[in-house]
Amino acid sequence: AQSVTQLGSHVSVSEGALVLLRCNYSSSVPPYLFWYVQYPNQGLQLLLKYTTGATLVKGINGFEAEFKKSETSFHLTKPSAHMSDAAEYFCAVIQNFGNEKLTFGTGTRLTIIP
Amino acid sequence: KAGVTQTPRYLIKTRGQQVTLSCSPISGHRSVSWYQQTPGQGLQFLFEYFSETQRNKGNFPGRFSGRQFSNSRSEMNVSTLELGDSALYLCASSLPEGPSTDTQYFGPGTRLTVL
Repeated sequence: AQSVTQLGSHVSVSEGALVLLRCNYSSSVPPYLFWYVQYPNQGLQLLLKYTTGATLVKGINGFEAEFKKSETSFHLTKPSAHMSDAAEYFCAVIQNFGNEKLTFGTGTRLTIIP
Repeated sequence: KAGVTQTPRYLIKTRGQQVTLSCSPISGHRSVSWYQQTPGQGLQFLFEYFSETQRNKGNFPGRFSGRQFSNSRSEMNVSTLELGDSALYLCASSLPEGPSTDTQYFGPGTRLTVL
């Protein structure tokens, strides 16, 4: 069975600083990996995903993530934090194409310090 | 295209009652999945429907059920509500025709409060 672990339930960064949210996965087969963001009282919005191919994935709002098989990681980064990035971020995995059961991490709440 | 819509957005029920939540997927999407989000348990998969058939099921009791109609709209039902069923229920739709399209898009959720 696949799983994801998000290190750090709360992360605070200053406006303009680097954002780094950590996600490690466990899967017996090459996984499909996703990052979603959730703003207060809203659903989940897809930031980016990795399925196959290029290991550096660019998403919306300036975010990107790199799939590192050797480290079983899929960390989310953004070079310069903006106040509007304050939200909760979820890493998720599905085991293979067609298996729509997303397994989520516990989430990381990102706070931006002005 | 319009996004995933869920109705109602907010619901208050009392213990023992039953509730039905509705989800309309993105046009053309054939898969609909349901998730429960609570502060204690996080995001948990309930079930997935594809072409009117339940294809995947999570670890929830039989009080939680669902169905999908021929137009891909889906409903989930919770019978004999318990206080612990208070949660945000999220619906997601996808078009799983290949890795590049296998992405779930979420609705805004239905906030269920059980008193």
